[in-house]
Amino acid sequence: AQSVSQHNHHVILSEAASLELGCNYSYGGTVNLFWYVQYPGQHLQLLLKYFSGDPLVKGIKGFEAEFIKSKFSFNLRKPSVQWSDTAEYFCAVNAGNNRKLIWGLGTSLAVNP
Amino acid sequence: EAGVAQSPRYKIIEKRQSVAFWCNPISGHATLYWYQQILGQGPKLLIQFQNNGVVDDSQLPKDRFSAERLKGVDSTLKIQPAKLEDSAVYLCASSLGVKLSTDTQYFGPGTRLTVL
Repeated sequence: AQSVSQHNHHVILSEAASLELGCNYSYGGTVNLFWYVQYPGQHLQLLLKYFSGDPLVKGIKGFEAEFIKSKFSFNLRKPSVQWSDTAEYFCAVNAGNNRKLIWGLGTSLAVNP
Repeated sequence: EAGVAQSPRYKIIEKRQSVAFWCNPISGHATLYWYQQILGQGPKLLIQFQNNGVVDDSQLPKDRFSAERLKGVDSTLKIQPAKLEDSAVYLCASSLGVKLSTDTQYFGPGTRLTVL
């Protein structure tokens, strides 16, 4: 069965530190990849997505993610985090023209000012 | 543009009682999703509608859960009877529905259900 793994469940960083959140999926064919974010007290919202073209995609608020097909990965990065990046981050994959997203368990990020 | 609306925001019931949640998607969005999110986990799709037809309900516990989207707009999700393990946040999302595999989903605020 298709699955999505997010390796880091809880991450604590200081402001200005660099961030990388891991996401790996299990599917050998064409995939569409998403990162969603949920800020405290807010709705889940799209951070960025990839479905074709340049494997390095840029999203809102300075986030980017790189699709590495050989590693089945779609890691999220930000060079310098801010306190306002404190949130829950979810990786999700739509595999093989499937109609539904498969979600990871999420990573809780806390940024200390 | 108005977002996805859900009500109620919170609900506390006792086990074996019934409960219903309502969702109004973004205007013009053909696809509507109901997710269950248990604390510490990612969203789990319960049911997905395209207009008023069901696209996927493979993970909906049909012995106790039901959902409808009769006019292809708003939707209700019902649990009858509720069990303790149904305690979760129930999320509604909608998307344009042009190409489901790449659609961005827009989420509502969710309904937090506590079953005692």
